Amino acid sequence: TQLLEQSPQFLSIQEGENLTVYCNSSSVFSSLQWYRQEPGEGPVLLVTVVTGGEVKKLKRLTFQFGDARKDSSLHITAAQPGDTGLYLCAGGKTSYDKVIFGPGTSLSVIP
Amino acid sequence: NAGVTQTPKFQVLKTGQSMTLQCAQDMNHEYMSWYRQDPGMGLRLIHYSVGAGITDQGEVPNGYNVSRSTTEDFPLRLLSAAPSQTSVYFCASQRVMTGAHEQFFGPGTRLTVL
Repeated sequence: TQLLEQSPQFLSIQEGENLTVYCNSSSVFSSLQWYRQEPGEGPVLLVTVVTGGEVKKLKRLTFQFGDARKDSSLHITAAQPGDTGLYLCAGGKTSYDKVIFGPGTSLSVIP
Repeated sequence: NAGVTQTPKFQVLKTGQSMTLQCAQDMNHEYMSWYRQDPGMGLRLIHYSVGAGITDQGEVPNGYNVSRSTTEDFPLRLLSAAPSQTSVYFCASQRVMTGAHEQFFGPGTRLTVL
């Protein structure tokens, strides 16, 4: 069973602070995706990481894929209230494999 | 392009009733999935399909049936609704790319089973 774990489960920070959330597994994934979900809506894709050790930047968000392709992290610099939401990681072992999600990290950025 | 559409947006059922949740996509994606999301939890995979005529079970398939007769549509059927199936249901589609699973989600169907 491929299982994705995320930490922390909840995070409440002040505007301007930095934070990192983690996505871990004992399984190797062909890729991992990060999504953000706002209340009442479906998840929206932020980024895909494919290569072990890969680092991708999306404005103030930095994503990293572990060398062994079993884990990933999301770092937000100078968080803003608009970053508030549920951050989900997801992945599959092959292109045609099932895609599973982690339980998510609920982020609240206080103005 | 409408992307991924789901109907209905809200539904209330009584225990034992059956219904079909509709999902359609206009992006010509081969791969489609159904997830359920319960409070405080991430998304759990119910069923998925890698192309017309091909379906497979996910993590929580019991009580649900699917079929995929066309590329565009992937309906989810609840055979005999139970209170434990109260949840928000999301449909997603993706292009089958080498090593990637970039999914586009519909707006969800909020189902309550009394």
